[in-house]
Amino acid sequence: GAGVSQSPSNKVTEKGKDVELRCDPISGHTALYWYRQSLGQGLEFLIYFQGNSAPDKSGLPSDRFSAERTGGSVSTLTIQRTQQEDSAVYLCASSTRTITGAVEAFFGQGTRLTVV
Amino acid sequence: SQQGEEDPQALSIQEGENATMNCSYKTSINNLQWYRQNSGRGLVHLILIRSNEREKHSGRLRVTLDTSKKSSSLLITASRAADTASYFCATVIRDGGADGLTFGKGTHLIIQP
Repeated sequence: GAGVSQSPSNKVTEKGKDVELRCDPISGHTALYWYRQSLGQGLEFLIYFQGNSAPDKSGLPSDRFSAERTGGSVSTLTIQRTQQEDSAVYLCASSTRTITGAVEAFFGQGTRLTVV
Repeated sequence: SQQGEEDPQALSIQEGENATMNCSYKTSINNLQWYRQNSGRGLVHLILIRSNEREKHSGRLRVTLDTSKKSSSLLITASRAADTASYFCATVIRDGGADGLTFGKGTHLIIQP
């Protein structure tokens, strides 16, 4: 596609329910990142994929959070048993990878998750 | 822990003035990038500077990098109302493995007409 696509753009869920967020990166981008941003705050790193593998899962805040990427393309971030503190904008980004390291990342518009 | 830290956290200036934002980081980097975020949604890449570069220009943007001080600055010249946004620095660290981007908390820039 032309850019990074995230769905849904907005999600309201009840506390305790599971949610699944989707990210469709730019075609050919091998690197994919998930971040979380609370209102007025900076970006909190969650997880990074290179191809289908996740060399860095250090940012996942708890075992309720998991992410996968299949076919080196689409990624899903799943939050189980959602809690109110999970409310945030979840941003996905993708980039190519060069010998000298990552180049610019392209961001989707995010999914605004509200847990009520 | 936060790799990049921007300062100031907020900056308000008059249209036409220059805006300077700073970023400090902790570990050796491969490159440093600046992004802009409008309306709390997606970020837009502005400029990338590699660890062996000291200064880079793009339009009204000027970025400097001082690896000895582990700091970078973003200068926006002749600011416009449309420059009002949050600005983040992001580093790509040298850890021999992941190239994950690590963001600071951002500087919120307000350009007053």
